[in-house]
Amino acid sequence: AQSVTQLGSHVSVSEGALVLLRCNYSSSVPPYLFWYVQYPNQGLQLLLKYTSAATLVKGINGFEAEFKKSETSFHLTKPSAHMSDAAEYFCAVRSNFGNEKLTFGTGTRLTIIP
Amino acid sequence: ETGVTQTPRHLVMGMTNKKSLKCEQHLGHNAMYWYKQSAKKPLELMFVYSLEERVENNSVPSRFSPECPNSSHLFLHLHTLQPEDSALYLCASSQETRNIQYFGAGTRLSVL
Repeated sequence: AQSVTQLGSHVSVSEGALVLLRCNYSSSVPPYLFWYVQYPNQGLQLLLKYTSAATLVKGINGFEAEFKKSETSFHLTKPSAHMSDAAEYFCAVRSNFGNEKLTFGTGTRLTIIP
Repeated sequence: ETGVTQTPRHLVMGMTNKKSLKCEQHLGHNAMYWYKQSAKKPLELMFVYSLEERVENNSVPSRFSPECPNSSHLFLHLHTLQPEDSALYLCASSQETRNIQYFGAGTRLSVL
């Protein structure tokens, strides 16, 4: 069984401030982990993915995430928020073998304060 | 055209209507998916097609009927829906079910 918990359904940060979106996973087998972003009226777009290589993963638009097995976490960060980062962000988990179903979290809506 | 295209973008239907959602992918992928996105709930996987064969059906009510005539097209046929079926329906595709999924912009469905 696998699941994802995203702490905080809404996060607000000031423009230029650090962005931190939290994701904790549960998986009985080594996981693959993903962050997707959804801009208003659009589908989901892949930001970055962890597939058991480097634990610090860099994605598009300056985002990165670190896989921490001891904490079962895969938090998303960006050093300096931009107005264009306002969107909903989804963490997802998939096993790296067997059941290949993607399991998504409930999402975190990020608001950027000018 | 590139990526995954969904039509229509918005649909309003009565509970007795029959309508269809269309998804087309231009990525050469061989797997396609339907998801339901409701407010404050995780994305729900509805159906998975691999090589035009349905490989997963997640206990979806029979009022939703998928069709995959070829590897580039996926339909979701709707009939006698309920108001609680109102949601954003997302289509995705991937090369093999183990690889990254690429999503369309979705169809916003309202059932009156």
